[in-house]
Amino acid sequence: EPEVTQTPSHQVTQMGQEVILRCVPISNHLYFYWYRQILGQKVEFLVSFYNNEISEKSEIFDDQFSVERPDGSNFTLKIRSTKLEDSAMYFCASSVWEREQYFGPGTRLTVT
Amino acid sequence: LAKTTQPISMDSYEGQEVNITCSHNNIATNDYITWYQQFPSQGPRFIIQGYKTKVTNEVASLFIPADRKSSTLSLPRVSLSDTAVYYCLVGDIRNGDYKLSFGAGTTVTVRA
Repeated sequence: EPEVTQTPSHQVTQMGQEVILRCVPISNHLYFYWYRQILGQKVEFLVSFYNNEISEKSEIFDDQFSVERPDGSNFTLKIRSTKLEDSAMYFCASSVWEREQYFGPGTRLTVT
Repeated sequence: LAKTTQPISMDSYEGQEVNITCSHNNIATNDYITWYQQFPSQGPRFIIQGYKTKVTNEVASLFIPADRKSSTLSLPRVSLSDTAVYYCLVGDIRNGDYKLSFGAGTTVTVRA
């Protein structure tokens, strides 16, 4: 069964550093998403991406965040200058039209 | 987005049927009801989706009454591995770019 993959599984970084989280969505999917989940809290939507542009973003997704699909397979989330409160699990998801979203296993980001 | 209300937690024993009811009084005509499951430190996983009446797949059944103001996820003969958080989500999936809004979910604990 095809699946969404994410790398790395765990990223530790210092406050103020830039991080790039990588995702490989399922190959025939057209819609891509990033969500995050702070430990013990609910899953929160960050951004959706379709046709090489952001289609919707949440209040969390401020100027420190950016997304890119640099080639036909990868989908990345960049955090320009990490803060302590960015520590969370980051999930990538993808979907086709009108169908369920498939989530990746997540990247645990720890900002120290 | 329609607001959903579901119990915070439920306990069960192996082999029992678990029914989780979700209230969504403000569901819109075009909204679908979707349930996701999440294990600790993993991404959410799609379980089932429906619009009205009953939907069944190999994992669960979803019962939706005629007024659609609530829905019940039924997990037959649960095992220890069904211990997870279950989320009820309501939204218009016809827009392929469909942001998921997760609530706190229902923590189901299955005991031996």
